[in-house]
Amino acid sequence: EAEVAQSPRYKITEKSQAVAFWCDPISGHATLYWYRQILGQGPELLVQFQDESVVDDSQLPKDRFSAERLKGVDSTLKIQPAELGDSAMYLCASSLNGRRNGGYTFGSGTRLTVV
Amino acid sequence: GESVGLHLPTLSVQEGDNSIINCAYSNSASDYFIWYKQESGKGPQFIIDIRSNMDKRQGQRVTVLLNKTVKHLSLQIAATQPGDSAVYFCAENINSGGGADGLTFGKGTHLIIQP
Repeated sequence: EAEVAQSPRYKITEKSQAVAFWCDPISGHATLYWYRQILGQGPELLVQFQDESVVDDSQLPKDRFSAERLKGVDSTLKIQPAELGDSAMYLCASSLNGRRNGGYTFGSGTRLTVV
Repeated sequence: GESVGLHLPTLSVQEGDNSIINCAYSNSASDYFIWYKQESGKGPQFIIDIRSNMDKRQGQRVTVLLNKTVKHLSLQIAATQPGDSAVYFCAENINSGGGADGLTFGKGTHLIIQP
């Protein structure tokens, strides 16, 4: 079964340092999403890409977060500088046809701890 | 604030019994809903979805009920098994027409199966 690949699985970084996460969506999925999930809460959308273009980044803290999907395939989410409150699970999801048959597939996430 | 929330953070049921997990949503414009299961250390896994033009949908051992009058969603799991232990999230989506179709999640219910 096709999967959304994310790396690294775990990341520990000191505050004020830069950190980056990588996501490789399911082959052929044009839409890619980054979510942040704080422990004990549901995921929150950060950014949505359609191919290489940003469709929605209204919830992305743009002073420190950036996301790119240069060739419309894999994507990188960066935080610089990291703050203690950024400790969370960062989930990537991809979609072929979104609102049909629950067509959003999530990766296993990157667990970020900022110390 | 969040437009989707859950009534109970933890639900404990006996193995073999039926489980009912509830969700309240506040945005009457939401027209697509998904239930996800999330096991520890993993990303959300699709269970079942329902559109606002339906009030019930059944899958394998699961049923989702939608009551638009009171903006309430429920997930029923029949004959609960140990493998059903997880956190369950409802998520909603609005057809904005602009291509943005990210999901809004509630906080989740932790389902615990007692032997």
